[in-house]
Amino acid sequence: DAGITQSPRYKITETGRQVTLMCHQTWSHSYMFWYRQDLGHGLRLIYYSAAADITDKGEVPDGYVVSRSKTENFPLTLESATRSQTSVYFCASRRPGNTGELFFGEGSRLTVL
Amino acid sequence: AQRVTQPEKLLSVFKGAPVELKCNYSYSGSPELFWYVQYSRQRLQLLLRHISRESIKGFTADLNKGETSFHLKKPFAQEEDSAMYYCALRTGNQFYFGTGTSLTVIP
Repeated sequence: DAGITQSPRYKITETGRQVTLMCHQTWSHSYMFWYRQDLGHGLRLIYYSAAADITDKGEVPDGYVVSRSKTENFPLTLESATRSQTSVYFCASRRPGNTGELFFGEGSRLTVL
Repeated sequence: AQRVTQPEKLLSVFKGAPVELKCNYSYSGSPELFWYVQYSRQRLQLLLRHISRESIKGFTADLNKGETSFHLKKPFAQEEDSAMYYCALRTGNQFYFGTGTSLTVIP
């Protein structure tokens, strides 16, 4: 039972490069989310998706692009990475129903030099 | 606008002592609140949710609408409780998290 997986787990890149973080879930949950975790800011929502081909901005979407061509995949792309995007990125999916529990991936630690 | 506030970034208690992690929220509607926990080298996971009124691993949290609070409590802290704790508010399809409290239980 893989659940929700992220790749890569660790990535070092340079300013200006494009980076894509992958997220895959095996439950067919409709809702998926991308958060970034930073000291002093906690978890902040970047983008979320209600279903395939439906995405929406969260609190901090600038500099990021998402797509959702298939229900199970929700990649996050940094088109031109900046140092301020150094962070730990978490993907999550939401269990259907009113309880709305989030299930998180293990996180992707990105360093932009 | 800050929707969830966790005033303590760091909290240390001795093993066996009571622990309370504070969470205050700002929301005009009917709130749905959660506590998530992240143990060292593990993924974030749900600890408890207010609608369930449950006790998980000895932790409880009561929603106080008058004080707009959802504090997490445990009467006797254990070393394995050392972790990062996040309070979260669900509004519609979005979850808003606080900045987190890092709890250390001293043996």
